[in-house]
Amino acid sequence: DTEVTQTPKHLVMGMTNKKSLKCEQHMGHRAMYWYKQKAKKPPELMFVYSYEKLSINESVPSRFSPECPNSSLLNLHLHALQPEDSALYLCASSQFQGLRTEAFFGQGTRLTVV
Amino acid sequence: KQEVTQIPAALSVPEGENLVLNCSFTDSAIYNLQWFRQDPGKGLTSLLLIQSSQREQTSGRLNASLDKSSGRSTLYIAASQPGDSATYLCAVSNQAGTALIFGKGTTLSVSS
Repeated sequence: DTEVTQTPKHLVMGMTNKKSLKCEQHMGHRAMYWYKQKAKKPPELMFVYSYEKLSINESVPSRFSPECPNSSLLNLHLHALQPEDSALYLCASSQFQGLRTEAFFGQGTRLTVV
Repeated sequence: KQEVTQIPAALSVPEGENLVLNCSFTDSAIYNLQWFRQDPGKGLTSLLLIQSSQREQTSGRLNASLDKSSGRSTLYIAASQPGDSATYLCAVSNQAGTALIFGKGTTLSVSS
């Protein structure tokens, strides 16, 4: 099983809403990632968790708050977003961070901020 | 800072043609290079992973090569099919220990 599952697939939220994106993998991977992808652009790294601890935050605004409750789950909590935050949010996992391991991506959550 | 470039940005070919997608990177200190496929509005599907010590990997009609010293990789697609139409992304994993760094992709269109 090489599947990374993301929910929901689509999300529309107002600028005052609070919502969460969820990501799950059962491959025993110890590194999990959040990427943001705007239309016709490559994915851009937001956060990296290694062994359930935040190891990289790519200067992401505080309105995005990641959480790793256990080794299989990764959440991204959203609050007071702006319309320019509308994008495809991708979750990925790999066996370990930064080593010779393959990364697997989920199908993404298409977020629209209105 | 590692930079990944993919050429061409877009490619249109008739069904049955063999084709090559190119990827170059500026810092040769990589752990591995990975090729992905992305359909419109969808996530990324891993196609091939090449470790830094390897020269090439094959999967079905796909063959990826890596020349780390020159900072280049190619993805060869044999006997292209309309179902191969998608954006192909190249990404490298740096020895600095951060996550994947992506190129901007090549959008492939195969006509029947």
